[in-house]
Amino acid sequence: EAQVTQNPRYLITVTGKKLTVTCSQNMNHEYMSWYRQDPGLGLRQIYYSMNVEVTDKGDVPEGYKVSRKEKRNFPLILESPSPNQTSLYFCASQLGAGSSYEQYFGPGTRLTVT
Amino acid sequence: KNQVEQSPQSLIILEGKNCTLQCNYTVSPFSNLRWYKQDTGRGPVSLTIMTFSENTKSNGRYTATLDADTKQSSLHITASQLSDSASYICVVRIGAGNMLTFGGGTRLMVKP
Repeated sequence: EAQVTQNPRYLITVTGKKLTVTCSQNMNHEYMSWYRQDPGLGLRQIYYSMNVEVTDKGDVPEGYKVSRKEKRNFPLILESPSPNQTSLYFCASQLGAGSSYEQYFGPGTRLTVT
Repeated sequence: KNQVEQSPQSLIILEGKNCTLQCNYTVSPFSNLRWYKQDTGRGPVSLTIMTFSENTKSNGRYTATLDADTKQSSLHITASQLSDSASYICVVRIGAGNMLTFGGGTRLMVKP
């Protein structure tokens, strides 16, 4: 089944403790991205990657890192999480960077930083 | 500033009734507009995509319209079902690249 998977689905952590949220897709998509979703603010893009070893900042990249060493994986790294990063995170992928491609979203990761 | 605004923020309707959700955008240059359905606790799933030249597009009981002159789109749901309860998000793509502007969503609840 074609899908985008994220792990973990739920995470509660403390301020300053490094964490990684994994994202994997099995559709051979080139383009992947991370979003956070907050009440009243909608979905905002954190980082995106147009292909292996090619990443760029989205609208709200501060406090986050990403890497794209393989095509299928696009982990989101929080080196020193803070409470304002408590949010619902979505990974998404699409075949290419073109505007006509549909974006497929993962199931989401709910992160709480205390 | 590129913005997408949706209304209403939330809506409650009875099963079997129709409803219309609105999306107004100030995005330039416009590339396309998608409506997504997001069930609680799940990722958004695309319902329709509309380009500049398209006025209407249907997907089952969902019909999206686009007026590029007034920069408005609507999503009409016919004969609503309990499973239509979800958030509906309007997303506008900017230019030829992959920049997206997301609306805040309309939360729809269908009651029996």
